[in-house]
Amino acid sequence: GQQLNQSPQSMFIQEGEDVSMNCTSSSIFNTWLWYKQDPGEGPVLLIALYKAGELTSNGRLTAQFGITRKDSFLNISASIPSDVGIYFCAGQQAGTASKLTFGTGTRLQVTL
Amino acid sequence: DTEVTQTPKHLVMGMTNKKSLKCEQHMGHRAMYWYKQKAKKPPELMFVYSYEKLSINESVPSRFSPECPNSSLLNLHLHALQPEDSALYLCASKTGENTEAFFGQGTRLTVV
Repeated sequence: GQQLNQSPQSMFIQEGEDVSMNCTSSSIFNTWLWYKQDPGEGPVLLIALYKAGELTSNGRLTAQFGITRKDSFLNISASIPSDVGIYFCAGQQAGTASKLTFGTGTRLQVTL
Repeated sequence: DTEVTQTPKHLVMGMTNKKSLKCEQHMGHRAMYWYKQKAKKPPELMFVYSYEKLSINESVPSRFSPECPNSSLLNLHLHALQPEDSALYLCASKTGENTEAFFGQGTRLTVV
């Protein structure tokens, strides 16, 4: 099935650094979602975006819904060790039972 | 309460066995999903139920049989699986159009 292009694929950063990752698609989406997944667990919702151009924050996390509706980015400020994990973007089209299409994931590792 | 509960958390089954995965949510969500996730890959959509009716089947082999007995419960019946079906199976639900999907913690399935 379709996957969204997410970059970077992985990153090693030092504690306290800021992190940026993005997601692009050839399709337009009505909703962009960002999830974090720990090994062996289900994805946990971080931020949901509903309008083109929307900028939303959740603590140290900030995400934006691209104006073209084909991209989104996620920033994490002042990273801490518990930020380690895999981050997925997901695009969703209109409809109650619409598909959620996932990005390829960004693996974040934080060194002290 | 944004909880989606999946049972069991781990399952080992033989290729001739019949087993079922269970997913439950009490948030009044009307769309429920089954996803399959292989190691180091994003989740891939299998089935979508909308208002207790099968809405999307992503060409999943018939050895996987979904069932939605009521608005809170979603099952995935497994029969004659292959070792390559071993994966993390995720359930998700959402309330309606343009809303975020919440995931359960997953069932780690191993087929021997």
